[in-house]
Amino acid sequence: QQQVKQSPQSLIVQKGGISIINCAYENTAFDYFPWYQQFPGKGPALLIAIRPDVSEKKEGRFTISFNKSAKQFSLHIMDSQPGDSATYFCAARLKAGNTGKLIFGQGTTLQVKP
Amino acid sequence: DTAVSQTPKYLVTQMGNDKSIKCEQNLGHDTMYWYKQDSKKFLKIMFSYNNKELIINETVPNRFSPKSPDKAHLNLHINSLELGDSAVYFCASSQALAGGHAGELFFGEGSRLTVL
Repeated sequence: QQQVKQSPQSLIVQKGGISIINCAYENTAFDYFPWYQQFPGKGPALLIAIRPDVSEKKEGRFTISFNKSAKQFSLHIMDSQPGDSATYFCAARLKAGNTGKLIFGQGTTLQVKP
Repeated sequence: DTAVSQTPKYLVTQMGNDKSIKCEQNLGHDTMYWYKQDSKKFLKIMFSYNNKELIINETVPNRFSPKSPDKAHLNLHINSLELGDSAVYFCASSQALAGGHAGELFFGEGSRLTVL
């Protein structure tokens, strides 16, 4: 099953709050789990990524938590700011064939209110 | 200096027409991609080329034909456009996965295609 399920579809958070976006997958052939951030009118850009041998990765206010046994991973944005308002995509990469094929989740539109 | 550039940024055309979108990357990457983003923002891979060789060809109507004249360029030609082809098409590039590279995708700003 080459799907990555992402929730929620949209999220509204107050400035300073914590934004949490969740993703789940079925296929154990994924070996790399990036998160991309997309602003209106722009292409997605890599935000943070994790490999399945690590349970957590933190970069500044952004943290990925990874639960290999549950096949779930999540993005936490601490101290959310209005500038974080964007669409966030989780993704998973198939390791077979070395093609680098990324399967994206459905996206979460985050609005951070001042 | 734009890393991945696509032209045109906007394209409005009638059903049945043929159109092309061009993409160029100056990152020195050897893999390039076309992704389609629909009105619900869902991103789906269409094609990927590695050093001018087609390596990913998803279930895409054969009205869509990618061409890679060299590893820095990847074009997308669409024949007999249909209403359902309206979307934003993103070009992306990445370094090869060999050698420990994670394969981060660098996206262009997208080409918004509207078919009337």
